Amino acid sequence: EDQVTQSPEALRLQEGESSSLNCSYTVSGLRGLFWYRQDPGKGPEFLFTLYSAGEEKEKERLKATLTKKESFLHITAPKPEDSATYLCAVPRSSNTGNQFYFGTGTSLTVIP
Amino acid sequence: EAQVTQNPRYLITVTGKKLTVTCSQNMNHEYMSWYRQDPGLGLRQIYYSMNVEVTDKGDVPEGYKVSRKEKRNFPLILESPSPNQTSLYFCASSLSSVNEQFFGPGTRLTVL
Repeated sequence: EDQVTQSPEALRLQEGESSSLNCSYTVSGLRGLFWYRQDPGKGPEFLFTLYSAGEEKEKERLKATLTKKESFLHITAPKPEDSATYLCAVPRSSNTGNQFYFGTGTSLTVIP
Repeated sequence: EAQVTQNPRYLITVTGKKLTVTCSQNMNHEYMSWYRQDPGLGLRQIYYSMNVEVTDKGDVPEGYKVSRKEKRNFPLILESPSPNQTSLYFCASSLSSVNEQFFGPGTRLTVL
């Protein structure tokens, strides 16, 4: 069964304390893995797309990596403004096109 | 400004009273989608549309209808809302089914 699982559910970090978020997937024939950031009460905002194992992408304090079974979102020296829920998603092929599976997210709190 | 708009942003209604949530995008995107977001369950896809000619069910389509008569609009229709449809709803669009999605601001629906 196709699944996307994120861990941990919640993470509290001190400002400057680096860590990683995990997204594991079992979708066959990966057509991309997407990372989004979501602030409370707002729509998700796109961060990265990764297409093949070994690929890495960076944006400010965030770096996303991809293996054949999982993706990591590394946060280096986080700041309070990095506090948000981070979601990963994968498309799954259906009879008519592509559905999207989202993980339930990791809620990150960065304490000053 | 490139954006996805949804209306209304907030809606309180009663069981059985038909309602429509509108969604419009100005980016000439082919792929559009509706999601509901519930605590602990994450974002779940209700319906998606590959293009004007192709619309299909996502993971939680029961109780919802959609139509895609023109490229920019993708309304979500609840013919007979029930309390279990109380949720936060997001519309999203993307260039294609394997590109990053742009999300609307969300519609918070309460069905009494």
